[in-house]
Amino acid sequence: RKEVEQDPGPFNVPEGATVAFNCTYSNSASQSFFWYRQDCRKEPKLLMSVYSSGNEDGRFTAQLNRASQYISLLIRDSKLSDSATYLCVVNAERGYQKVTFGTGTKLQVIP
Amino acid sequence: GAVVSQHPSRVICKSGTSVKIECRSLDFQATTMFWYRQFPKQSLMLMATSNEGSKATYEQGVEKDKFLINHASLTLSTLTVTSAHPEDSSFYICSARGGTRLAVETQYFGPGTRLLVL
Repeated sequence: RKEVEQDPGPFNVPEGATVAFNCTYSNSASQSFFWYRQDCRKEPKLLMSVYSSGNEDGRFTAQLNRASQYISLLIRDSKLSDSATYLCVVNAERGYQKVTFGTGTKLQVIP
Repeated sequence: GAVVSQHPSRVICKSGTSVKIECRSLDFQATTMFWYRQFPKQSLMLMATSNEGSKATYEQGVEKDKFLINHASLTLSTLTVTSAHPEDSSFYICSARGGTRLAVETQYFGPGTRLLVL
């Protein structure tokens, strides 16, 4: 089983739609979780950290489910500019240097 | 967010030559820098982790004699691809982490370097 797994997609959604991605992780000791966004042929950019209590930033909501070992990203009112690949990132231990990237979920928002 | 630069952004070289890529943290001191490689339509793969002033830690399967990493200061790390071959053509991305005003675990990525070996 991969350390971090994501559905590669693509998710094709119309503008204004709500879309959700999940990411599962295999190491139950994982401590830190992030969502990054990567545009085509660009570097990843931090979208948001994922806290145990969940967190929201505008149209984006991230949740952590430790019992089932997954994190989720919800995007409301999708914009064309949201089209990108969303990478799930997991840190095995707090302060531990190495993070593991998922392969990413591709989102295409269509007019 | 923090700023990380990479240079060059794009390089084309002949097989057998060496290529040096620089990664700089511009507004913070990076205690740790990471080098990744990404092939088309694949995920980021960590190549090595380097801390300032110490030897880099390479991931399994990454040849340390081929991919030389020097983390000479808290703001600069370099990756040298020695005797490059066409199969080394890839997107090389560095990231940096550290600094007192930044979240310890957040990595900030450079814009990447596209290497094409002919």
